[in-house]
Amino acid sequence: AQSVTQLDSHVSVSEGTPVLLRCNYSSSYSPSLFWYVQHPNKGLQLLLKYTSAATLVKGINGFEAEFKKSETSFHLTKPSAHMSDAAEYFCVVSRSNFGNEKLTFGTGTRLTIIP
Amino acid sequence: EPEVTQTPSHQVTQMGQEVILRCVPISNHLYFYWYRQILGQKVEFLVSFYNNEISEKSEIFDDQFSVERPDGSNFTLKIRSTKLEDSAMYFCASSNPGLAGTGELFFGEGSRLTVL
Repeated sequence: AQSVTQLDSHVSVSEGTPVLLRCNYSSSYSPSLFWYVQHPNKGLQLLLKYTSAATLVKGINGFEAEFKKSETSFHLTKPSAHMSDAAEYFCVVSRSNFGNEKLTFGTGTRLTIIP
Repeated sequence: EPEVTQTPSHQVTQMGQEVILRCVPISNHLYFYWYRQILGQKVEFLVSFYNNEISEKSEIFDDQFSVERPDGSNFTLKIRSTKLEDSAMYFCASSNPGLAGTGELFFGEGSRLTVL
């Protein structure tokens, strides 16, 4: 079985300061890990993905995440927060079976940006 | 940019009534999914659908639920007799086999179901 744990349900940062959203995973095999973002009244959007290539993954809107096997972590970071980053962020692990993608979501972290 | 569209955005129904949630996946995608999120809880997998049949379903997806692709463009989720605990946001998603292993599902904006 595989799972992800998001360590913070709510994170608040000031505009222009760094963002850190934490995620730990559990998987019996080499995982595929993702961060999805949900802006208010919008669908879920893929932010970035790790699929056993480079451990430092860059995504959209200046976000990046580092896969650390020794720590079973996949934390999401951004050097400088922008007001438009306010959203719900989900850490996700995927099991792929011949094109059938089954995603297991974390509980989500709500990111608030303080002007 | 192609997108997944869902209707209705919000539906209120009485317990015991049938509900159909509709989705139009991206046109060249072949895998279709339903996920749901009960308020304050995780997004959970319900079912995946490929080649006009269910590929996989979770234990949540019991006999009260069904899916179909009636006309080659729509993908529907039917709840036969709604219960209070079916109140949730339901997300439709689709994926392209060319992106197999990438985890990249394209999600709609969700249909919020409220059962009274």
